[in-house]
Amino acid sequence: QKEVEQNSGPLSVPEGAIASLNCTYSDRGSQSFFWYRQYSGKSPELIMSIYSNGDKEDGRFTAQLNKASQYVSLLIRDSQPSDSATYLCAVKWRGSTLGRLYFGRGTQLTVWP
Amino acid sequence: DVKVTQSSRYLVKRTGEKVFLECVQDMDHENMFWYRQDPGLGLRLIYFSYDVKMKEKGDIPEGYSVSREKKERFSLILESASTNQTSMYLCASSSGRGQLNTEAFFGQGTRLTVV
Repeated sequence: QKEVEQNSGPLSVPEGAIASLNCTYSDRGSQSFFWYRQYSGKSPELIMSIYSNGDKEDGRFTAQLNKASQYVSLLIRDSQPSDSATYLCAVKWRGSTLGRLYFGRGTQLTVWP
Repeated sequence: DVKVTQSSRYLVKRTGEKVFLECVQDMDHENMFWYRQDPGLGLRLIYFSYDVKMKEKGDIPEGYSVSREKKERFSLILESASTNQTSMYLCASSSGRGQLNTEAFFGQGTRLTVV
């Protein structure tokens, strides 16, 4: 059974702080990792993807991948109230040649002014 | 920009009706997916398709069927709608098979209420 687990939240941080979102996955054969943001009542939108161990930065967002620990995280620096949303972690397994992604249940983030 | 369009934003149907949810993508993607999303349960995959006329069951296919007659269009069919199928339905598409960057792009969602 392929599982993707996220810290259950909700997570609440003050404006300007760093928000840290975590995700673990069950299968060492995982290949690609994605973070989606979903505002209430809207559909998920891709914000970050990462494929290799280490950090990947894009503006205020940093994705961190540690395949040995089967762990991927998303850091949001200088958090803004507009970052308040549910963040979904998604994983593609190497054997999943049909492009299927496995999603975690999401972590709800609230950034308060 | 990738565009995935679902035919309806909101839909209200009666129990027992046959319901069609349509999804169209304009990026020539091979893969298309139907999910439902319920509070506390996350995204659950109903069906997916990797080519025209090809389909695979996801985790919760019972009560649903799909059709993919053209590459750009993927339809979800509720054969006989029931109240427990009230949910947000999300269509997604992605490119290629076995490629690294198979990120999925989502439509705007259809909120279906079965009364």
